[in-house]
Amino acid sequence: EAQVTQNPRYLITVTGKKLTVTCSQNMNHEYMSWYRQDPGLGLRQIYYSMNVEVTDKGDVPEGYKVSRKEKRNFPLILESPSPNQTSLYFCASSPRQGNQPQHFGDGTRLSIL
Amino acid sequence: QKEVEQDPGPLSVPEGAIVSLNCTYSNSAFQYFMWYRQYSRKGPELLMYTYSSGNKEDGRFTAQVDKSSKYISLFIRDSQPSDSATYLCAMSPGGYQKVTFGTGTKLQVIP
Repeated sequence: EAQVTQNPRYLITVTGKKLTVTCSQNMNHEYMSWYRQDPGLGLRQIYYSMNVEVTDKGDVPEGYKVSRKEKRNFPLILESPSPNQTSLYFCASSPRQGNQPQHFGDGTRLSIL
Repeated sequence: QKEVEQDPGPLSVPEGAIVSLNCTYSNSAFQYFMWYRQYSRKGPELLMYTYSSGNKEDGRFTAQVDKSSKYISLFIRDSQPSDSATYLCAMSPGGYQKVTFGTGTKLQVIP
C-alpha cells in the first residue's frame, strides 16, 4: 500500500529538548515536504526536498532542520523546541513539486511545554 | 492579502443537499488546482485535480475553475454524513513551483 508514515503521532515535550519527527514514503517519490497546520493559518511549508541531498527552506523554516540522506526518508529536527512550535505537522511526498498532487502522512501533533 | 482565500466555515447542511465550496486567488500564474479532503486526526487526501480552466466531474464531486475570475469551486451532490470533513483548496503554477493551500472549509452534513 502506497503511504507516507510519520512517527510519533503524538508527542508532549519540554522547551529545549531536541526532538526528531521521522517521515518515510514507499512510493519512490523524489519530492518530499514538511508542513505545519495551525488554526486560521492553514498549511504552511517548513522545508522541502527535491531529491536526495537537496533541501530548501519553505515559508516558515526558523527553528527547524531537515536532512535527506535517502530517497524514502525525510526527518524533521527541532534542535531546541519552543512553545510556538506547538502544532500539527504533516509530511508529504509527490513524484515532483508543483504539478503533481501530494500524498500526506496522518500527522504528528507536537505539544511543547 | 493572502494568495489564496477560503471561507473557513463551518458550513452545516442537511443530508442530501448540494454543497458548494469556493476559493479565490490572486496569482494569475496558477495553472494546477486541487481539492483535498481532511478528516479529523488524518492527513489531507486528494479529492480532485484539474489543469487550467473548465469542469471535472468524479461521481458526486464536480470541480470548476474560472481563471478569468480567479475563482475555483467544488460541488458535492447528494451530500452524505461521511462527507463531513475539512476541505482544502490548493493550487500551483506548475513546473517546480510550490503548492499554495487555502486555510480549509469545515463541512458538517447532518443526517
